[in-house]
Amino acid sequence: GAGVSQSPRYKVAKRGQDVALRCDPISGHVSLFWYQQALGQGPEFLTYFQNEAQLDKSGLPSDRFFAERPEGSVSTLKIQRTQQEDSAVYLCASSLAPRPLKTEGYTFGSGTRLTVV
Amino acid sequence: KNEVEQSPQNLTAQEGEFITINCSYSVGISALHWLQQHPGGGIVSLFMLSSGKKKHGRLIATINIQEKHSSLHITASHPRDSAVYICAVKRNYQLIWGAGTKLIIKP
Repeated sequence: GAGVSQSPRYKVAKRGQDVALRCDPISGHVSLFWYQQALGQGPEFLTYFQNEAQLDKSGLPSDRFFAERPEGSVSTLKIQRTQQEDSAVYLCASSLAPRPLKTEGYTFGSGTRLTVV
Repeated sequence: KNEVEQSPQNLTAQEGEFITINCSYSVGISALHWLQQHPGGGIVSLFMLSSGKKKHGRLIATINIQEKHSSLHITASHPRDSAVYICAVKRNYQLIWGAGTKLIIKP
């Protein structure tokens, strides 16, 4: 597609429920990033994929968070046993280059707004 | 202390005014991004720069690597410029984000 597509756009989950957030990056983009943006804050890095390999997951806040990109294209961020503090916008971004060089930019999705009630 | 600091946090101005948003960072970087986020919308990359100055239309971004400081300027501001403007610095492959500046341009 022409841009990075994320779904669903909005998700309301009951506390304790598992959720799965999807990111469709631009076709051919090697790098894929997930960010978490709490209300009024800048995005925080969660994890980074180069193709199907998850090279950095240091930003995942707990073992309830799991991300995968099995075929090196679509990625899913899964949150198990959701808590209220998980409420945030989850942003996905992709970039053509592996370990994007300074001349490469990022293309961002519109995000998924997760509200845990 | 945050690694990326933006100022001001909030800015309200009248249509036509010249706008300046500042970004200071404390880490070594390979590039700096200015991004725009509309309410309920996604993030649009405005500029990526590693030195000097870039201009797109009414937007100008400058960076001083020695001083670890960047500015985003908007000339002849318009209500449609109302958004959150975010500075993010690139270290290796990660972006480290500022908290954003909420800009409101009144007609």
